[in-house]
Amino acid sequence: DGGITQSPKYLFRKEGQNVTLSCEQNLNHDAMYWYRQDPGQGLRLIYYSQIVNDFQKGDIAEGYSVSREKKESFPLTVTSAQKNPTAFYLCASSVIDRGSGYTFGSGTRLTVV
Amino acid sequence: GENVEQHPSTLSVQEGDSAVIKCTYSDSASNYFPWYKQELGKGPQLIIDIRSNVGEKKDQRIAVTLNKTAKHFSLHITETQPEDSAVYFCAARVYNAGNMLTFGGGTRLMVKP
Repeated sequence: DGGITQSPKYLFRKEGQNVTLSCEQNLNHDAMYWYRQDPGQGLRLIYYSQIVNDFQKGDIAEGYSVSREKKESFPLTVTSAQKNPTAFYLCASSVIDRGSGYTFGSGTRLTVV
Repeated sequence: GENVEQHPSTLSVQEGDSAVIKCTYSDSASNYFPWYKQELGKGPQLIIDIRSNVGEKKDQRIAVTLNKTAKHFSLHITETQPEDSAVYFCAARVYNAGNMLTFGGGTRLMVKP
């Protein structure tokens, strides 16, 4: 079955550490996205990529970094510069040449300990 | 850029009643409007979508209506069931803006048995 996989499901980070969240898709989608969701809040765009080796900042990119070395993979690194990283992180993918829905992963819950 | 507003932010209904969630958008060039359902601790799932050349679309108990003149679209859920309890997000896509979706802030629907 085609789909999008995020790992790990839960992640704990100590103060000052960088952590990387994995996102892999086998849907042959060109575009991938990272969103942050805080409790009871909506979806805020962190980064997106529409082609390999290229990505764009979203609304809240500060303290985060991404790479897109393969079409299938779009990992997100939460750096120590992100002062309040505790949140639910969602990865999504889509086609880009027409309006269509995003396919979302099941999310990673990151907690600072 | 596009702006999507969603109302209400919370909605409580009795099982069997109907629920209506409304969204307005700002860019008249928007041409694709998906709706997502997010259950607790999971990623959003696409439940229905509508394109700008259609005024209404139904899928069993859910329907979406679009009023292009007024720039608003609505999700209708009939005969609500407890399993309909979730957070619902609307979104809009501007024509020729790749496939970037702008999301509404979400509606928490609670269906009381």
